[in-house]
Amino acid sequence: EPEVTQTPSHQVTQMGQEVILRCVPISNHLYFYWYRQILGQKVEFLVSFYNNEISEKSEIFDDQFSVERPDGSNFTLKIRSTKLEDSAMYFCASRMDRSLNTEAFFGQGTRLTVV
Amino acid sequence: AQSVTQLDSHVSVSEGTPVLLRCNYSSSYSPSLFWYVQHPNKGLQLLLKYTSAATLVKGINGFEAEFKKSETSFHLTKPSAHMSDAAEYFCVVSPYNNNDMRFGAGTRLTVKP
Repeated sequence: EPEVTQTPSHQVTQMGQEVILRCVPISNHLYFYWYRQILGQKVEFLVSFYNNEISEKSEIFDDQFSVERPDGSNFTLKIRSTKLEDSAMYFCASRMDRSLNTEAFFGQGTRLTVV
Repeated sequence: AQSVTQLDSHVSVSEGTPVLLRCNYSSSYSPSLFWYVQHPNKGLQLLLKYTSAATLVKGINGFEAEFKKSETSFHLTKPSAHMSDAAEYFCVVSPYNNNDMRFGAGTRLTVKP
């Protein structure tokens, strides 16, 4: 069964460093998402991406964040200068289309720890 | 605008008793509705999704959800809880033909022996 894969599973970084979280969506999917979940809290929407551009972003997704689909398969989330409060589980998801009842498939997540 | 409200942050049941996890939504258009489950230290797994074919939807592991448009609800139920059902459950809403997918705050289900 096709799946969304995320690497690394766990990333530890020092405050102020740049991190890139990687995702390989399901190959025929067109819509891509990043969500984050701070420990013990709700899953928060960060950004959605379609046709090589951001289609929507939340207030969390400020200038420190960027997304890219550099080669037609990977979908990356970059945090330019990490802060302690960026520590969270980051989930990537992909969706075939946005028609009614099309579900998103989620990766296993990358746990980011900023020290 | 669309939003989703999970009415209970924590539900505790005894093994073998029924489970009810509540979800209400607001959406300007006919929404897509989903329930996802997250077991400890795991990713998000689709439990079930609403299809317009039937208001009662069956999912994996014996879970069901009923779409009630008049009440804007999509509550998740299971007749008999199992210890392995202990997890976090998320109701997710997406408006029709819209890229947006928004999560409820989640309900943590505890199952007591």
